[in-house]
Amino acid sequence: NAGVMQNPRHLVRRRGQEARLRCSPVKGHSHVYWYRQLPEEGLKFMVYLQKENIIDESGMPKERFSAEFPKEGPSILRIQQVVRGDSAAYFCASSVSSYNEQFFGPGTRLTVL
Amino acid sequence: TQLLEQSPQFLSIQEGENLTVYCNSSSVFSSLQWYRQEPGEGPVLLVTVVTGGEVKKLKRLTFQFGDARKDSSLHITAAQPGDTGLYLCAGEWYVRFGAGTRLTVKP
Repeated sequence: NAGVMQNPRHLVRRRGQEARLRCSPVKGHSHVYWYRQLPEEGLKFMVYLQKENIIDESGMPKERFSAEFPKEGPSILRIQQVVRGDSAAYFCASSVSSYNEQFFGPGTRLTVL
Repeated sequence: TQLLEQSPQFLSIQEGENLTVYCNSSSVFSSLQWYRQEPGEGPVLLVTVVTGGEVKKLKRLTFQFGDARKDSSLHITAAQPGDTGLYLCAGEWYVRFGAGTRLTVKP
């Protein structure tokens, strides 16, 4: 009974490179959420997706960041041309429907050198 | 903007003590969630409150939703080292998270 899986758990990139973060939701969940957490801070909402659709991207920077949740395969959070300020833990959560309990993954810790 | 403010930001207590942490907002929420996050892990949902004045208990943890549905509190009785973690409140399921209360319970 696998929960939310995220990979990689740790990712190191140099400034200007691309970072791809993957999230496999709980089996049967079609709603995925991405959050960013800086050290010693709470979670900041980035984007909410349902299969093949972006429902709410109000928390995601307009440039360099994109997210997708294709019909098949994991959800991907993509950060292009990373900068040091992108260093953070990125968490994915999934739910069976909107306004329902979210299950969080263990996070991907991105370090930009 | 629906902001959630949590207090205190940090709390360090001895095992066996009682404590209360707060989650406040100027906005009304239809639901409010409490999570606990341990270092290196994702948050885990503890409880959801939806009715003004509602009180829910989870073993030694007591959660209360304010009558006006703008605030909530979490009370822990006889805290244990295993209660150590970051306690987060969230409004409306996903968009708004407070900055959290970082609790340390010393043996």
